[in-house]
Amino acid sequence: GEDVEQSLFLSVREGDSSVINCTYTDSSSTYLYWYKQEPGAGLQLLTYIFSNMDMKQDQRLTVLLNKKDKHLSLRIADTQTGDSAIYFCAESTYGNKLVFGAGTILRVKS
Amino acid sequence: GAVVSQHPSWVICKSGTSVKIECRSLDFQATTMFWYRQFPKQSLMLMATSNEGSKATYEQGVEKDKFLINHASLTLSTLTVTSAHPEDSSFYICSARDGRTVNTEAFFGQGTRLTVV
Repeated sequence: GEDVEQSLFLSVREGDSSVINCTYTDSSSTYLYWYKQEPGAGLQLLTYIFSNMDMKQDQRLTVLLNKKDKHLSLRIADTQTGDSAIYFCAESTYGNKLVFGAGTILRVKS
Repeated sequence: GAVVSQHPSWVICKSGTSVKIECRSLDFQATTMFWYRQFPKQSLMLMATSNEGSKATYEQGVEKDKFLINHASLTLSTLTVTSAHPEDSSFYICSARDGRTVNTEAFFGQGTRLTVV
């Protein structure tokens, strides 16, 4: 079955880069997503990447996909205190249900 | 992006009562809606998928008679937690997408925090 795993916690200093890693098992995944969740709030889609891409950059966010190893990463450049949140990676197949990882708590120290 | 509105944002109810949570797509037609449940410090677990006009498809282990889902229109789905108990206390989140186009994004509501006392 599908499974998505990610590290549970990451602490960085303000201004540094953050890298959050994720692995998944479903080789038929078509889209891979990164969501941000602030305390008590719903999920905000940050970015997504199609499975035939290796990299996608969107302002401070860079997504790298290694499809062979089924490894996805999210790099946040110049991390700010407002980036502190829980980050979820998720995968889906042809627009079907999303399967989420457990979430990575990002703590940014000023 | 598109807007999904979930109501209420939080609710406290007595054990044994029922609670209804609404999920509305405000500016698109949501042919498919998903209901998730999230326990503290845990990931989102899909409870069920509902397509407009059809019965919901529940994930394994989710009691369909306890979590009633109605998706009667293209802009509204409801989740009713029947005979709620303290163990049903959780954060419930809906998402909606227009399934008529392949690979469209699913937009999330802001979530409903249910506390059963």
